[in-house]
Amino acid sequence: GQQVMQIPQYQHVQEGEDFTTYCNSSTTLSNIQWYKQRPGGHPVFLIQLVKSGEVKKQKRLTFQFGEAKKNSSLHITATQTTDVGTYFCAASSNDYKLSFGAGTTVTVRA
Amino acid sequence: NAGVTQTPKFRILKIGQSMTLQCTQDMNHNYMYWYRQDPGMGLKLIYYSVGAGITDKGEVPNGYNVSRSTTEDFPLRLELAAPSQTSVYFCASSYSTLAGYNEQFFGPGTRLTVL
Repeated sequence: GQQVMQIPQYQHVQEGEDFTTYCNSSTTLSNIQWYKQRPGGHPVFLIQLVKSGEVKKQKRLTFQFGEAKKNSSLHITATQTTDVGTYFCAASSNDYKLSFGAGTTVTVRA
Repeated sequence: NAGVTQTPKFRILKIGQSMTLQCTQDMNHNYMYWYRQDPGMGLKLIYYSVGAGITDKGEVPNGYNVSRSTTEDFPLRLELAAPSQTSVYFCASSYSTLAGYNEQFFGPGTRLTVL
């Protein structure tokens, strides 16, 4: 499966600030998915990106797929306490197996 | 719909014991997966299945076995449990075709400790 690297591993954010987490691969990806896992919970699907350069928004979350389809980012604006959790990117090449990144764990200071 | 259900929620095993983790989905998904998640880590694929009667190894299959006799059920068998198998196990399912690949739905997980 594809190897995807996520940075940073931890993100400590002041409430109201913005932050970005990145997902990088050395090879071209067919698609990339993002999941969120709340503490003690299970991963929940957020979005899938398929096209080169694709940008999708969900309220305060903006997801982007790189032009070369080797990287992706998740940008959160005006962070809230509800954003706490671990955000995983997951990528596949040409099969139906996903390779998950190690995740970015987000904590929020009120 | 219940989605993906897993039993048990928690289990403590002694070294060398065996157990089966149960997973059932009621969404008629063709693909099912087993992952393990170690503390502070991402998800590692253990086994997956593209349909009843078909299973294949993922990244970390050693020490585990699976079967898929029905569309709904995908049990994971641990033989001769070892401390290295202490982890949280997630089952997931998705509906995927050659035309497209869709999101995975995860169960609530089974927390396994091997002592």
